[in-house]
Amino acid sequence: GAVVSQHPSRVICKSGTSVKIECRSLDFQATTMFWYRQFPKQSLMLMATSNEGSKATYEQGVEKDKFLINHASLTLSTLTVTSAHPEDSSFYICSTTSGGASGTQYFGPGTRLTVL
Amino acid sequence: AQSVSQHNHHVILSEAASLELGCNYSYGGTVNLFWYVQYPGQHLQLLLKYFSGDPLVKGIKGFEAEFIKSKFSFNLRKPSVQWSDTAEYFCAVNARAAGNKLTFGGGTRVLVKP
Repeated sequence: GAVVSQHPSRVICKSGTSVKIECRSLDFQATTMFWYRQFPKQSLMLMATSNEGSKATYEQGVEKDKFLINHASLTLSTLTVTSAHPEDSSFYICSTTSGGASGTQYFGPGTRLTVL
Repeated sequence: AQSVSQHNHHVILSEAASLELGCNYSYGGTVNLFWYVQYPGQHLQLLLKYFSGDPLVKGIKGFEAEFIKSKFSFNLRKPSVQWSDTAEYFCAVNARAAGNKLTFGGGTRVLVKP
């Protein structure tokens, strides 16, 4: 399967600051990447679909101005949490897909964000 | 919109016991079905998947799952677990009409006692 990396693995920031999380597809070109959020002891919730060269598609209830997604190349998508608050503390996970209408998703190791 | 439910939140069993985790989904159209596993401190890994064909699919590490269309179910099984199977297991569905978007179940934490 595909290899996906995320950076950083952990980040602690002060309330009001912005944090950028990178997601890289290491061994194939990913036109589509997905961003998920996982609260403690809960399942993954899809936040948005990141499309290379175009705007991201956000799920209902996700603030696009707060969670900025940029997919400038076929191997890199970034998620920026702007003006972070403690309620944004969570585990953020990205994935890439092997493509096609029934593509399997391969997940990154996740980034744990703690906002003080 | 599709939804996925996993019946058990926590399962505790001893080594060599058999494991079965339930997964049901609600969606009337054609779906692709997945089971992912998340070992402690590690990222999600694909255990197995069903797209079409034989409804009994075999995955890695001795796991298998059976798709029963009439029951909207995709239960995961392993005949004899090991301590190393301690992990959280997630069932996921993507409706083909929705492209590659996955909907996850709530997850089941499995603890295998040595």
